[in-house]
Amino acid sequence: AQKITQTQPGMFVQEKEAVTLDCTYDTSDQSYGLFWYKQPSSGEMIFLIYQGSYDEQNATEGRYSLNFQKARKSANLVISASQLGDSAMYFCAMREGLRNQFYFGTGTSLTVIP
Amino acid sequence: NAGVTQTPKFQVLKTGQSMTLQCAQDMNHNSMYWYRQDPGMGLRLIYYSASEGTTDKGEVPNGYNVSRLNKREFSLRLESAAPSQTSVYFCASKQNYGYTFGSGTRLTVV
Repeated sequence: AQKITQTQPGMFVQEKEAVTLDCTYDTSDQSYGLFWYKQPSSGEMIFLIYQGSYDEQNATEGRYSLNFQKARKSANLVISASQLGDSAMYFCAMREGLRNQFYFGTGTSLTVIP
Repeated sequence: NAGVTQTPKFQVLKTGQSMTLQCAQDMNHNSMYWYRQDPGMGLRLIYYSASEGTTDKGEVPNGYNVSRLNKREFSLRLESAAPSQTSVYFCASKQNYGYTFGSGTRLTVV
């Protein structure tokens, strides 16, 4: 089974609108971490946001928030007030296990339309 | 600037050639990783090193070797390159819960 599933290969959003990128995960661990990374066309990987499995509040970082629904095993990224510079690939990832193994999803390509 | 430095940024190899991808971090992180990124596959872990002197296989280790000679440097070696190893390779280091990635190496094996 896939550890991280991102079902949206590509998404479009109008500038200044909000967009939700979906991510579901699979783990039997009680302690794990969930991450979102942005990869612009230049290729570098940029850390956006982190959610620990024991965190009761949804993580927020500026215009990014993580909608964490533990029972559903989902960790969707919400970007508010989209900007043209948000156009990029977005990867969801999970850290689990005693050796802190990381797993990445296949990514969602976001295009912000002027 | 502090971060993860990868060299080279681009490389073309002939099938059967060998090469080493270099990675260095100056953040005093213990853990370092090598990933490959292929279209539709996301990032897949090749090898990782939890600390200086230790290495472990990841999801796709075949055809690769690694060396963690000191805390700063973690190199990835292809002994006999194959076209299936055409990919973008990312080195990363980790402290606490966050990764820092290098800028990537685009490798083409012809």
